[in-house]
Amino acid sequence: AQKVTQAQTEISVVEKEDVTLDCVYETRDTTYYLFWYKQPPSGELVFLIRRNSFDEQNEISGRYSWNFQKSTSSFNFTITASQVVDSAVYFCALRTETSGSRLTFGEGTQLTVNP
Amino acid sequence: GAVVSQHPSRVICKSGTSVKIECRSLDFQATTMFWYRQFPKQSLMLMATSNEGSKATYEQGVEKDKFLINHASLTLSTLTVTSAHPEDSSFYICSALGAGGVPSYNSPLHFGNGTRLTVT
Repeated sequence: AQKVTQAQTEISVVEKEDVTLDCVYETRDTTYYLFWYKQPPSGELVFLIRRNSFDEQNEISGRYSWNFQKSTSSFNFTITASQVVDSAVYFCALRTETSGSRLTFGEGTQLTVNP
Repeated sequence: GAVVSQHPSRVICKSGTSVKIECRSLDFQATTMFWYRQFPKQSLMLMATSNEGSKATYEQGVEKDKFLINHASLTLSTLTVTSAHPEDSSFYICSALGAGGVPSYNSPLHFGNGTRLTVT
């Protein structure tokens, strides 16, 4: 079975602070994909990143960076110099070779960036 | 990029009526579509998987007769909430799997903007 855990339910920071959102996953498959999505108050899911299990290189995209560590089954997401517009719910998700195209979501982390 | 359109974005209906939600892939053929439900401040829960031309596969605990799913074409799937009740009020979001070979874990997945259903 697949499982994604986002232990941080809510995080509140002040603008320009750096913030890291944690994601821990469980799967017995050796081949899988990890995702991060952003859900602003309007509700749509915004795709941020997809990472496959064979690529442990960390990735940076502007103020966003991701740290994938298979040894700890974690795929953490860091926002540098946070902005008010970053306020949203962030979901980590998992797809595996066994589950096929089905996506398993974590519980989400509500990030609030205060001015 | 691939676009999935979901309609309506918001709907308010009276208890006992039925509501249909459409999910369309605008610029690609979607062999498989997924329907998710999200309660306030909660995660997305998969309700069912629909494949074009065949019956939907429902997740455990989801009532098939309550949530009717039809995937009649490669670009359209519909979710009908029948005899809606206030407890059906929720955010429903669809996602579509891009075509191009056998759907698998590495096929692209595109989400609609969701439908907020309120049953009074």
